[in-house]
Amino acid sequence: GQNIDQPTEMTATEGAIVQINCTYQTSGFNGLFWYQQHAGEAPTFLSYNVLDGLEEKGRFSSFLSRSKGYSYLLLKELQMKDSASYLCAVKDYGQNFVFGPGTRLSVLP
Amino acid sequence: EAGVTQSPTHLIKTRGQQATLRCSPISGHTSVYWYQQALGLGLQFLLWYDEGEERNRGNFPPRFSGRQFPNYSSELNVNALELEDSALYLCASSRIPSGETQYFGPGTRLLVL
Repeated sequence: GQNIDQPTEMTATEGAIVQINCTYQTSGFNGLFWYQQHAGEAPTFLSYNVLDGLEEKGRFSSFLSRSKGYSYLLLKELQMKDSASYLCAVKDYGQNFVFGPGTRLSVLP
Repeated sequence: EAGVTQSPTHLIKTRGQQATLRCSPISGHTSVYWYQQALGLGLQFLLWYDEGEERNRGNFPPRFSGRQFPNYSSELNVNALELEDSALYLCASSRIPSGETQYFGPGTRLLVL
């Protein structure tokens, strides 16, 4: 079956670093995506990993280990506007997108 | 480049009625995905269309159906509405092949009374 796990909620302080983990078991692997979703809004694309290693994009980085079925999203220099849900999604061999339940991040002053 | 558009933004129906939601993908995108997101919950996959064909559907009853038109726009129909169908319905478009992400529209918020 298809399964993606993420922590339900996380809390961090403004200016800090937070790591959001994602583990997956899917029917094949064609890439892992991270999205940000503010309350009441549509998800927006953050990052994409298809090879093992770290992809850095400004304050956000994403890491992938295909052998472990594991990814994380690293957010540095947290800002209040980073308070949102973060969705991990895997594209399988059938080109289906399988979404995790999302991690709700609260950034406190 | 225009993003994914959805209409209407809000829809209020009563139990037993039918709802039709529309989505226009980004130009050049052939795939359209539909998701349901109930309040406070994750995205639940509904349907995937590509090149006019239904490629996959999620674990939803047959009263959830849709189609994709020759211009790649798509319609989601929900028949015999139930109270629990109240949710945000998101449409996303994508290109094949593999490395392409999905781009989401703003959603249609459906309220069933």
